Amino acid sequence: SQQGEEDPQALSIQEGENATMNCSYKTSINNLQWYRQNSGRGLVHLILIRSNEREKHSGRLRVTLDTSKKSSSLLITASRAADTASYFCATVFQGGKLIFGQGTELSVKP
Amino acid sequence: SQTIHQWPATLVQPVGSPLSLECTVEGTSNPNLYWYRQAAGRGLQLLFYSVGIGQISSEVPQNLSASRPQDRQFILSSKKLLLSDSGFYLCAWTNHYGYTFGSGTRLTVV
Repeated sequence: SQQGEEDPQALSIQEGENATMNCSYKTSINNLQWYRQNSGRGLVHLILIRSNEREKHSGRLRVTLDTSKKSSSLLITASRAADTASYFCATVFQGGKLIFGQGTELSVKP
Repeated sequence: SQTIHQWPATLVQPVGSPLSLECTVEGTSNPNLYWYRQAAGRGLQLLFYSVGIGQISSEVPQNLSASRPQDRQFILSSKKLLLSDSGFYLCAWTNHYGYTFGSGTRLTVV
């Protein structure tokens, strides 16, 4: 499969704690993207990290990429109840196909 | 501004009935267009993608088909729905600067 794989599949934390989600992929990539999906809704693009980048920040989000291990992580700092959602990594393959992992379901409890 | 419209939001169809889901994009030209399906609690599976009018690539064998009659219109169809076609269908587009998703259609085949 060309899909990325996230772990954990589900994560439950308290408000204020940090949440870390990991993604592994199988083939060489140009970039890796993270998306968020609220229950039953469309996906929202969070952040894109290119293959020549090792770390990227956007607000409370921090993404790392290790191309030697073919893995990426998404860190959400100081989590809030509103961060509760599913988070997906995705990679772009030939022809512009965006292929998703199975996602991590994050639950932030107030 | 660039927007994507997908409708309907929910749909309940009997087994054996036809299906037509429409997706239109505004504010861009010659986008790559995509149809994804998401089963409950799972990641997104790429069904079809199109790089231009009349050009459709199918990713997985299935009971569905896609068409692109106009540059900014992408249609997902079926002649006879199966129970296994139930799911959350998402349309997306990219102009190579990022991917934007529609709000999705929840299809229940009964």
